[in-house]
Amino acid sequence: AQKVTQAQTEISVVEKEDVTLDCVYETRDTTYYLFWYKQPPSGELVFLIRRNSFDEQNEISGRYSWNFQKSTSSFNFTITASQVVDSAVYFCALSKGSSASKIIFGSGTRLSIRP
Amino acid sequence: SAVISQKPSRDICQRGTSLTIQCQVDSQVTMMFWYRQQPGQSLTLIATANQGSEATYESGFVIDKFPISRPNLTFSTLTVSNMSPEDSSIYLCSVQAGTYEQYFGPGTRLTVT
Repeated sequence: AQKVTQAQTEISVVEKEDVTLDCVYETRDTTYYLFWYKQPPSGELVFLIRRNSFDEQNEISGRYSWNFQKSTSSFNFTITASQVVDSAVYFCALSKGSSASKIIFGSGTRLSIRP
Repeated sequence: SAVISQKPSRDICQRGTSLTIQCQVDSQVTMMFWYRQQPGQSLTLIATANQGSEATYESGFVIDKFPISRPNLTFSTLTVSNMSPEDSSIYLCSVQAGTYEQYFGPGTRLTVT
């Protein structure tokens, strides 16, 4: 069965620090997709990134970067030079199979950035 | 991407009553999904709503409690029936846009007293 584990329930750092959010997943599918979503205090879910199981290249988007390692079943998310606006709950998610139509979410990590 | 709206944005309801939540998308989509997020928890998929067929419910969710309609490719409703305080949650609609991305609506915050 598929499962996503975000062991860090809450993280608090001072602004401008780098922070890494961990995500470990379990699946028996050979083709699958991994996602990160951001949920700010307003409640909406913001799509950040999708990565398919055949693409292990790391990705960087501005201050955000993602490290996908199939060998350890991990898909970690790093925010460089954090800002107060980064404060949110971040969810890692895994598709059920290759269609990405059913998504299983991790429990989320609440990130607080202190000024 | 897709722009999704939900109505109502929030509501406070009495136990035993029902609430229908609407989800509108700005483009035609094949698959729409309904999720529940209980306070402080992660998201759980309730059901998949396909146009022209009955919704497919996940384990632990039943049609009598959460009836879903999907009359066309841009609209869906979720009804929370015979509500109890345990139904207090955020209910989110999402759509699959393109091949792999799911986009979420702003959610409906439901409080049952």
